[in-house]
Amino acid sequence: DGGITQSPKYLFRKEGQNVTLSCEQNLNHDAMYWYRQDPGQGLRLIYYSQIVNDFQKGDIAEGYSVSREKKESFPLTVTSAQKNPTAFYLCATSRGSQETQYFGPGTRLLVL
Amino acid sequence: KNEVEQSPQNLTAQEGEFITINCSYSVGISALHWLQQHPGGGIVSLFMLSSGKKKHGRLIATINIQEKHSSLHITASHPRDSAVYICAVNINSGGSNYKLTFGKGTLLTVNP
Repeated sequence: DGGITQSPKYLFRKEGQNVTLSCEQNLNHDAMYWYRQDPGQGLRLIYYSQIVNDFQKGDIAEGYSVSREKKESFPLTVTSAQKNPTAFYLCATSRGSQETQYFGPGTRLLVL
Repeated sequence: KNEVEQSPQNLTAQEGEFITINCSYSVGISALHWLQQHPGGGIVSLFMLSSGKKKHGRLIATINIQEKHSSLHITASHPRDSAVYICAVNINSGGSNYKLTFGKGTLLTVNP
């Protein structure tokens, strides 16, 4: 079963807590992305990675961190520094730049 | 002003109608993408195009580079076409460009 998996589907965060969202792919794509979606707004890029062991900040990286130790995996940590983390988070992959992006099912993060 | 503007924001149609969703952008681009997001949140890439026209089933996407405009057409619309349609562009930065800039989406509802 090929594709992109994100877990968990729903995640609850307490004040001051760091949480990590998982993104795994078996498409053998080099590039991976994290987006945030808020109601009434377009998707916004948090971080992206062109290749293993490399990643770049997107438009709204503050309060987030990532790692890319394996080609298949690109976890996103929402730190306590992110003051408004409630959103829908989407992971995507592509073969390279300016290529079709394939999206995972998303994780909804809620703050308790 | 957003770099990518979509119209209309909301569109309601009767089953069988021909539908057009518009996307205008204000910057030079290397590619334009049309995406579909269903109520559950998952996003599917419909088209990526840099010139001319592409067709897939009942969906047609066109782009006019000189006018910085693209349209997504749905022929013989069906209730299962109800979704948010999102336009996104790779801004032409002169080198490889992984980042997409998104419009806010058009919510399409097709009634039986």
